[in-house]
Formats: sequence, structure tokens, C-alpha cells
Amino acid sequence: KQEVTQIPAALSVPEGENLVLNCSFTDSAIYNLQWFRQDPGKGLTSLLLIQSSQREQTSGRLNASLDKSSGRSTLYIAASQPGDSATYLCAVALGEYGNKLVFGAGTILRVKS
Amino acid sequence: KAGVTQTPRYLIKTRGQQVTLSCSPISGHRSVSWYQQTPGQGLQFLFEYFSETQRNKGNFPGRFSGRQFSNSRSEMNVSTLELGDSALYLCASSGAKTAYEQYFGPGTRLTVT
Repeated sequence: KQEVTQIPAALSVPEGENLVLNCSFTDSAIYNLQWFRQDPGKGLTSLLLIQSSQREQTSGRLNASLDKSSGRSTLYIAASQPGDSATYLCAVALGEYGNKLVFGAGTILRVKS
Repeated sequence: KAGVTQTPRYLIKTRGQQVTLSCSPISGHRSVSWYQQTPGQGLQFLFEYFSETQRNKGNFPGRFSGRQFSNSRSEMNVSTLELGDSALYLCASSGAKTAYEQYFGPGTRLTVT
């Protein structure tokens, strides 16, 4: 059974810091890995998707890497801002069609101004 | 392009009642998935539909069911509600048949009293 773990569970940093969120998964047979952001009481916003054949993806201040063989992904956020405060979730895609997402518990990020 | 929409946004029901939630995917998307989010269990996969067919199902009791219409809109039904069904129910749509980026709606907050 696929299990996804995210470390740390919570993180508080001053504005401007670069930070790394970690995600690990137990079974490397994944279609892709997706990082999401969730604001309190809201739905999920897709940040980055890395296909299983890729090593990394970048969007603005965000960079996500994937090491499928070791079952690890990292989300790097550069020059953090208070608006980055949210819960960050990683999810791996499984199933016959790769449309079943298994989520980690998330990392709650607070960026202090 | 309009995003994923879910109705209603908030719902209060009594134990033993049944409820139907609706999801309209992004125009052109044919895959719709449903997830339950609770503080204790996090985000868990309920089921996924593609072209009116359920392709994948999570580990939920038979009280949880769904369907998809020819216009790709989907409904989820929960019968004989229990207090533990209180959760945020999220729907996601995807534009490809397999393993593509999923876009989430704002969710329906269900409270069972």
C-alpha cells in the first residue's frame, strides 16, 4: 500500500528565506507527483506536476524535484513571502489510469513579515 | 476558462439522511474524481469517473456512490449519513484519459449533526 509522508509537519520562517519541503513515498510505481497548495477552508491549487520520467519542474519561485528510485520529492520555495503561507500537499498518482491521487498529510507553512 | 465548480458549498444534514453533491468539471475535461478531506484522515480518494464509467474506487463503504453524466458533470451521493461523514468533499477534473494534472474545485463542506 502506497504511503506518502511529508516533513516537516509545520514550518515557520521569516520573510525572504529560502525553504525546502520534503515528500517521500513508499512505492516507486507512480505515474506522476503533484504539489498542491491549500488555503484554510479552500480547495487545492495545483503548483507543479512532475511526470515519473522527469527529474524536476520549475514555476516562478517554485522548483520541485523527483527522485523516483529513492521515493523522494522536494519543493523548493525561493525568497518566501507572507502570501506563501498555506498548507502544501504532495500527492502521487496511482491506479490503472494514473488518476488516483494518494496524498501526504501536508506541511503547514507560515511566513512571517 | 472557468474552473471546477461544486454545489452546494455548504450543507448541514442530520444523521440518517442522505445527501447529493454536484461537480461541474472544466470544459472539455472528461475525468472527474472525488476526495474526502477530514482533519483525522486527511485527503482520501473516493472514486473516479471517465466518460460516465467508474474506473477506480477507494476504500469507502457502499453508502458512498457517484455517477457521471454525458456532459461530464458528476454527482456524489451519501446515504444514511453518519457523524463521521462530516468533511470537506473535493472534486477534481482532468483533461486526459490517463495520469494528467488534476484541477480541484472549492469543495462542499458537509456537516452532519
